[in-house]
Amino acid sequence: EADIYQTPRYLVIGTGKKITLECSQTMGHDKMYWYQQDPGMELHLIHYSYGVNSTEKGDLSSESTVSRIRTEHFPLTLESARPSHTSQYLCASSETGSRNTIYFGEGSWLTVV
Amino acid sequence: SQQGEEDPQALSIQEGENATMNCSYKTSINNLQWYRQNSGRGLVHLILIRSNEREKHSGRLRVTLDTSKKSSSLLITASRAADTASYFCATDVGGSYIPTFGRGTSLIVHP
Repeated sequence: EADIYQTPRYLVIGTGKKITLECSQTMGHDKMYWYQQDPGMELHLIHYSYGVNSTEKGDLSSESTVSRIRTEHFPLTLESARPSHTSQYLCASSETGSRNTIYFGEGSWLTVV
Repeated sequence: SQQGEEDPQALSIQEGENATMNCSYKTSINNLQWYRQNSGRGLVHLILIRSNEREKHSGRLRVTLDTSKKSSSLLITASRAADTASYFCATDVGGSYIPTFGRGTSLIVHP
């Protein structure tokens, strides 16, 4: 069982609102990731981090931002949500190194109306 | 574009039958992993195979890797209705070890 937690699980907000999706893991993993996934579609990497104070953009351009002030915490923020941001956001973590099994949270479903 | 591509996109079988899914990728890899995703949930790791391995087993799962063809297959034997899910392959390349995922195969196992 993965010890990685995302909140909220479901969120419906209005256009223009600022939102933060929370992600925490208790496994002491250095690497953390955010993926975006539309229903039935592939996962797109939007942000990742190698450790504290490290953040990198992923393959898919995203208007969201992330921070990594503590090892266990990797929040994702949208300053001004738009309907095009409606999607599922999956947070994940893994150990550093070659045997990098990724552990996923349950996901945050965001709907912007 | 995605590094890994699963095939078929969808597969529908009867309980007890075997299910085979394939993954093809474009560049040399360090590892290849298979994950499972139940509808609306996060992904769960199934099995990892390293680039110097050819076959691995885990319970009813069998994974093969052919680096010359840049492809992998996942075989689920004696499928059950509970195996209904989407299955993704993930590959990582170079020194970053950042996995990227394919589109997934949607498997439906009818009771």
